[in-house]
Amino acid sequence: GAGVSQSPRYKVAKRGQDVALRCDPISGHVSLFWYQQALGQGPEFLTYFQNEAQLDKSGLPSDRFFAERPEGSVSTLKIQRTQQEDSAVYLCASSLELNPLYNEQFFGPGTRLTVL
Amino acid sequence: AQSVSQHNHHVILSEAASLELGCNYSYGGTVNLFWYVQYPGQHLQLLLKYFSGDPLVKGIKGFEAEFIKSKFSFNLRKPSVQWSDTAEYFCAVILSNDYKLSFGAGTTVTVRA
Repeated sequence: GAGVSQSPRYKVAKRGQDVALRCDPISGHVSLFWYQQALGQGPEFLTYFQNEAQLDKSGLPSDRFFAERPEGSVSTLKIQRTQQEDSAVYLCASSLELNPLYNEQFFGPGTRLTVL
Repeated sequence: AQSVSQHNHHVILSEAASLELGCNYSYGGTVNLFWYVQYPGQHLQLLLKYFSGDPLVKGIKGFEAEFIKSKFSFNLRKPSVQWSDTAEYFCAVILSNDYKLSFGAGTTVTVRA
């Protein structure tokens, strides 16, 4: 596809359920980012991949959050035992290379997660 | 910790009015600055960016932003808005030796026809 795609677009989970959010970056993009956007706030960094390597997971809020990108393309963000405070829009972005001087981060439409 | 502040939460304008959205950051080192826009129902997309050189940056759709280092500011401007400029606008920063975007809380702009 022409852009970053994410699925599902909307997810409703009962508290305690596990969820998996998928990101398909732009083909050939080396860098992949996950951001979390709470209601009324700007996106906040969660984690970063360069190809299949997770180089930065400093933004993951707890050990319930886990991300992977096993083949260096599609990425999955998994949240275990969801809590109400996990309700947010989860954004994925990709860029051709790491250096932001030369490469824009292209964002997907996001997955809106609601935990009841 | 670095932060990005956007002064206005919601701005309502009439068509042809001028727009200025404030953005300040709290970091003393070298930064790269961005404005992103999210139109209703669409993805976040880059409006303009500043890395170095001329502090007045021109972006898409007639927007411009001015980097004032002494004020730690990067305000967004448009001389004459259109109804289609209705959107949410986010200011963002990347530190010079970093790669992750730090966003402000966003400003919702509503342009009345």
